[in-house]
Amino acid sequence: GAVVSQHPSRVICKSGTSVKIECRSLDFQATTMFWYRQFPKQSLMLMATSNEGSKATYEQGVEKDKFLINHASLTLSTLTVTSAHPEDSSFYICSAIPGGAYQETQYFGPGTRLLVL
Amino acid sequence: AQSVTQLDSHVSVSEGTPVLLRCNYSSSYSPSLFWYVQHPNKGLQLLLKYTSAATLVKGINGFEAEFKKSETSFHLTKPSAHMSDAAEYFCVVSDRSGGGGNKLTFGTGTQLKVEL
Repeated sequence: GAVVSQHPSRVICKSGTSVKIECRSLDFQATTMFWYRQFPKQSLMLMATSNEGSKATYEQGVEKDKFLINHASLTLSTLTVTSAHPEDSSFYICSAIPGGAYQETQYFGPGTRLLVL
Repeated sequence: AQSVTQLDSHVSVSEGTPVLLRCNYSSSYSPSLFWYVQHPNKGLQLLLKYTSAATLVKGINGFEAEFKKSETSFHLTKPSAHMSDAAEYFCVVSDRSGGGGNKLTFGTGTQLKVEL
């Protein structure tokens, strides 16, 4: 149980275009999802916390207008990288927490590799 | 505030020998602690977690970790390494100060290499 999927797994796009990444909890409902960014050989950096039905909370230094997050249902959150540039190339990973009191274990998706040319 | 220090960026062991990956934490609250493993170009898989129950936590694939409050440590061990254990390991602390949606703070990771 507690499987999280991401789509696409890899995406290559031209500079200036927008890219949407989907994160789905397959066998549980997730009131909270998280988006992380990971640079090569580095740890994960939290970008934002996404709560179903409300606006995402962004970490300091993360541009909310550039990284649009929508958590429209209990099983789906999307991250849209708008007007992507080469410096946005990275590994984006989402995670989800099953609903219910005292739940805190995050289950991670397999990640999306974004390359902006 | 919370933080995690993984003392070794790289660990190399021979197959069949014990594994020790060290982790120290700092937290203002009673922490939850996790170890995750990441294979190349993959997401993170939960190995085990400590949430204030038994201090010796057993996880998947033969890994275990012991929570030592006096030493603020949560080291990961395995009696006998296997080639498939080669991966990046992250020690993680959870901020339990707020209600649901607790933030995770990641260590910088330890790359485990297993040699024949």
